[in-house]
Amino acid sequence: NAGVTQTPKFQVLKTGQSMTLQCAQDMNHNSMYWYRQDPGMGLRLIYYSASEGTTDKGEVPNGYNVSRLNKREFSLRLESAAPSQTSVYFCASSGRGGSSYEQYFGPGTRLTVT
Amino acid sequence: AQSVTQLDSHVSVSEGTPVLLRCNYSSSYSPSLFWYVQHPNKGLQLLLKYTSAATLVKGINGFEAEFKKSETSFHLTKPSAHMSDAAEYFCVVSDFRNNNAGNMLTFGGGTRLMVKP
Repeated sequence: NAGVTQTPKFQVLKTGQSMTLQCAQDMNHNSMYWYRQDPGMGLRLIYYSASEGTTDKGEVPNGYNVSRLNKREFSLRLESAAPSQTSVYFCASSGRGGSSYEQYFGPGTRLTVT
Repeated sequence: AQSVTQLDSHVSVSEGTPVLLRCNYSSSYSPSLFWYVQHPNKGLQLLLKYTSAATLVKGINGFEAEFKKSETSFHLTKPSAHMSDAAEYFCVVSDFRNNNAGNMLTFGGGTRLMVKP
């Protein structure tokens, strides 16, 4: 099992450009999540998908959109990148909605917007 | 609402000495609590979790944490630090929401552990 995979690993964008971050999991998990990590702030939830066919906003959704393509895949799109979106982005998945089910994280995508 | 406070942003210990990383939480529900570790330029790995069973939780690599409801704390400890323990550690709280909203995690700001030879 590969677990949670993310592509690309690194990306540099110019302000105003768009891009899509891809995430896939092979653990048959129902729920998937996108976070951003900024220094001293831990991880903050951008969007999540509790189950296939549903998506909801997290703590910091502005400037992002998501698509739950199928049970395995959950993508994050930046329509018009801004320097404030420079961050490390993590995708995660978990088996069920109960709080005892930990999340499994991908290796991250390091994004720089100039 | 739930929140997590990691009381130290940086902790430095010598190899072979004990490690203590402090975490306080608040939650409106009965929480589950986790500690994750992140090595440089890597993703997050689960160290241990508390889910309302035993209050003393043992995790991987010799780490353990004790849930103290009266103090709303979940401090992470290890008797003897190893160089490979140098990393960033995150305390995380999750509360169960019976609305199919998924497993919502709230992260602390992180504690960077440095281990000196």
